[in-house]
Amino acid sequence: DAMVIQNPRYQVTQFGKPVTLSCSQTLNHNVMYWYQQKSSQAPKLLFHYYDKDFNNEADTPDNFQSRRPNTSFCFLDIRSPGLGDAAMYLCATSRDHGTDTQYFGPGTRLTVL
Amino acid sequence: GQSLEQPSEVTAVEGAIVQINCTYQTSGFYGLSWYQQHDGGAPTFLSYNGLDGLEETGRFSSFLSRSDSYGYLLLQELQMKDSASYFCAVSYNFNKFYFGSGTKLNVKP
Repeated sequence: DAMVIQNPRYQVTQFGKPVTLSCSQTLNHNVMYWYQQKSSQAPKLLFHYYDKDFNNEADTPDNFQSRRPNTSFCFLDIRSPGLGDAAMYLCATSRDHGTDTQYFGPGTRLTVL
Repeated sequence: GQSLEQPSEVTAVEGAIVQINCTYQTSGFYGLSWYQQHDGGAPTFLSYNGLDGLEETGRFSSFLSRSDSYGYLLLQELQMKDSASYFCAVSYNFNKFYFGSGTKLNVKP
């Protein structure tokens, strides 16, 4: 059974058109993460939630926002996608703090035209 | 900031043993994790070291030396399905993770 679900798996948007990616989890984990991964590169942490506490990485562009309305769901909003934002976006969860295993969703591949 | 170094690519034959090294620099270090990622797939957890020493999980083992800021992943009895990218990742400052650039492992018959 899927534990971390991401929808859609593939998303095409136009330059400058807002887009929202979603992630849900059935693990009841406290922490949810959003990563950006470009081709042949490492996953790069954008931000994470510990419960309702939002933590933004210093170098995450303002163009990226996130919402976590409840324990199970987390959203990534890209307000004005640029060509450089085309990437795989990975959602991950962990039970508690940074020593715990991260469970990744299958990712959403974003294409910007 | 954080930095991680690991080899970009390693090639080995089926049945062999391969070691992938990772050196790191970070403040607020908690531990070192290893993840496997097949092409087009999501990373999956392999191993975690919070303390010095060796952790063994089946064919995979991972080692950490905190004093040397160094760890490695050891893969034994290589199989073709082990061809993938392997990432080391440091966890730091409670809930943050920083991934290395990944090592592409090619397993040949």
